[in-house]
Amino acid sequence: EAGVAQSPRYKIIEKRQSVAFWCNPISGHATLYWYQQILGQGPKLLIQFQNNGVVDDSQLPKDRFSAERLKGVDSTLKIQPAKLEDSAVYLCASSLGQPSEGQFFGPGTRLTVL
Amino acid sequence: GQQLNQSPQSMFIQEGEDVSMNCTSSSIFNTWLWYKQDPGEGPVLLIALYKAGELTSNGRLTAQFGTTRKDSFLNISASIPSDVGIYFCAGDLFSRGSRLTFGEGTQLTVNP
Repeated sequence: EAGVAQSPRYKIIEKRQSVAFWCNPISGHATLYWYQQILGQGPKLLIQFQNNGVVDDSQLPKDRFSAERLKGVDSTLKIQPAKLEDSAVYLCASSLGQPSEGQFFGPGTRLTVL
Repeated sequence: GQQLNQSPQSMFIQEGEDVSMNCTSSSIFNTWLWYKQDPGEGPVLLIALYKAGELTSNGRLTAQFGTTRKDSFLNISASIPSDVGIYFCAGDLFSRGSRLTFGEGTQLTVNP
């Protein structure tokens, strides 16, 4: 079974530019999550989707971050405009929601904002 | 919001030694999960705990859900070089492991 796919793996941009990340969850997983992981810290939830609806976006900086999950499968996370403090790894995860399985994470996209 | 305090922040041990790390919270959690993250990869689930007092093993790993529901412990026995990585605890206020708060991680280094 294929895991969570993310692209690109690395991205370097200058501040005030825009960037987008893509995630393809494990087939059949209804719940999709985007996390931000700053170097030396644990992942922090940005947004959670259930199918194509938003369940929790309370920690998403909505003035610059946006995310969508069209058709309840793939998802994109966008930052516009980027700030220096947005430099981090952006992790996508998916789950069936079953207690015994937890969440499955993708490899992440490492963003560097110069 | 909820905050998880993980300790120690880092550990340097010799191959074959046992390792203990823990996670505490000011809030009660219904689920505790332990993840391991290798460089350049996403976290991978090691053990999930769903009941206060529960003790669960996965090979050389053993984890416990504290009786107060505010802490959890992870032990690794007879460490090997491939145990190197960052170990994260994560707590979930809900019972289905679907909304997690992560600790800051314990960086483990194993010297052969």
